[in-house]
Amino acid sequence: SQKIEQNSEALNIQEGKTATLTCNYTNYSPAYLQWYRQDPGRGPVFLLLIRENEKEKRKERLKVTFDTTLKQSLFHITASQPADSATYLCALAISGTYKYIFGTGTRLKVLA
Amino acid sequence: GAVVSQHPSRVICKSGTSVKIECRSLDFQATTMFWYRQFPKQSLMLMATSNEGSKATYEQGVEKDKFLINHASLTLSTLTVTSAHPEDSSFYICSARDHHEQYFGPGTRLTVT
Repeated sequence: SQKIEQNSEALNIQEGKTATLTCNYTNYSPAYLQWYRQDPGRGPVFLLLIRENEKEKRKERLKVTFDTTLKQSLFHITASQPADSATYLCALAISGTYKYIFGTGTRLKVLA
Repeated sequence: GAVVSQHPSRVICKSGTSVKIECRSLDFQATTMFWYRQFPKQSLMLMATSNEGSKATYEQGVEKDKFLINHASLTLSTLTVTSAHPEDSSFYICSARDHHEQYFGPGTRLTVT
């Protein structure tokens, strides 16, 4: 069956360090993958999109990699700040549709 | 980035009544909008795809007669929860598609008493 896995345990890191979040998927052939940030009681906010033929994408302190062989995407936040504390969701676009399947999200807490 | 609004942000209703939630794309036109529900500490579950000018497509297990979706214009989709019951209490989130990106509304917290 199709599955998207993110580390369900919370990730605590020290301010200034790089946070790395993982998204693994099985039985999908996604055309592209997106990362979102969600704060409690709020809707997800789009961060980055990476296509299947792209290995890496950057935006300011954010970096996303996409390995279709490993079926994995990594999401990095460099020089992390307490304001980066939130839940981060990965979402796969189902090929041939505009539907997205979301992972369960990883809660990140950056400690001052 | 594109902005999507939802109204209301919170609603409390009595069991057996119906509730309508609006989703609007404010600065772009969206031929496709999506409705999700999210339970505490869980991921977003896609309920249905709303297409402007045609019937919504529901995901398996979602009752189309209970969750009525109308996409009357390129900027507005509505979700009506009919004959609401306490188990329908959840966080409902809509999104609107702009090319390959989806932009989400702030969500609506529905509590059925």
